[in-house]
Formats: sequence, C-alpha cells, structure tokens
Amino acid sequence: SQQGEEDPQALSIQEGENATMNCSYKTSINNLQWYRQNSGRGLVHLILIRSNEREKHSGRLRVTLDTSKKSSSLLITASRAADTASYFCATAQGGSEKLVFGKGMKLTVNP
Amino acid sequence: EAGVVQSPRYKIIEKKQPVAFWCNPISGHNTLYWYRQNLGQGPELLIRYENEEAVDDSQLPKDRFSAERLKGVDSTLKIQPAELGDSAVYLCASSPGAAYNEQFFGPGTRLTVL
Repeated sequence: SQQGEEDPQALSIQEGENATMNCSYKTSINNLQWYRQNSGRGLVHLILIRSNEREKHSGRLRVTLDTSKKSSSLLITASRAADTASYFCATAQGGSEKLVFGKGMKLTVNP
Repeated sequence: EAGVVQSPRYKIIEKKQPVAFWCNPISGHNTLYWYRQNLGQGPELLIRYENEEAVDDSQLPKDRFSAERLKGVDSTLKIQPAELGDSAVYLCASSPGAAYNEQFFGPGTRLTVL
C-alpha cells in the first residue's frame, strides 16, 4: 500500500522557474524522504527530513515538513532541464522499519 | 564507489516461464531490499534482508516468488511461473544501516511477460 500522495501529479515549467511539489501522508513518521527517478533509471535519494525538523536545505532543494498537517513540500529553485524527472516522497513510518513510497509526480522543465 | 548493480536490465519472457534477477549491493551495506514498481506507481517493497536473514517478506507473493541472499551479499529474486501481471520494473536497493535511512537503488530490471 502507498501512503504518500504527491501533488500535483504532473508539472510543466520553464527553465529558471521554481517548482514546488507537495506530499501528504496518513500515519506518524520517523522521517520523510524525497527521491528522484529519471526515465528508465533507478531512484536517487535527494534529501531526508526527520520528524522533529521543520525545514532542510540542500543546494537548490528546500524541504519543509508539517507533522500537524501530515504534509511536506519540496521546492526546487532555478530549475534546469536536467531536473526533468519523476519525484517521489517516501515515509519511514513510526514503529516500522519500512519506507513507503507515494505514486510520484512528473516534473518537466522546458529549456 | 560502485553503486548497486542489477542484471539483466531487460527481460522478455512468455507467461508460465521462470525468470531470475540478480543484485549486488554496495559493499558494506548489510540491508538489501527488493521492490516492484508498476508503471506510473512508486516502488513497493517485496522483501527486506538484514545480512542473510529475510526480516520482512510480508508483501512477497510466496506461491510464485522466492528470494535468497547468500552469504549476506548478492541476492537473487525468482518468479516461477511468471504471469502477465508480473510485468514491472524490479528494483534492488541497499542501505548501510537502519531501513528508514537513505536507500541506494540500482537501475532496475524491466520485466515484460507476454
């Protein structure tokens, strides 16, 4: 079963614009992670935010976590064509040593 | 540092045939996972190994799927017999410690069952 749900399911933007993706989940979590998957490739870990953290940055990525709303957002600033990929949020559920992935969101960055 | 290696990358078989996938995790990673990813979906865990022990195989369809991890390193996932609904990408991942930390994924094996 998949817990995280990304929104929107697809997003198309121009190079240089910012892209925001949202993830909602249902149960308590240890942490929330974001992964990227390029077409025909495996997933690449982008960033991990723990349940006691509210915001985290890594390069052009900014992740926020609101545990009261059970939601997270991933912001990619100054997007590039190479950011074109599917993005997944994954939750490490409290009491379980398992990552549960959402269905993913397809980002297209047009040059 | 070499990443997670999987083979084959693509496999096309007819239904009722057997198929096997192989995975070599990152050196030193004691936790290994097999996921199945259907088209347009996120990965779903099939089985998780801690060293050579399968600690979570609750989502593995045991009537036709089997897995092993010899000596706690390489792993194979087998389907026998394959069904049309098994067409998917099979991903292997590994991590150095607790299952809820960062996972490192291989490129996957795309299986098509005709």
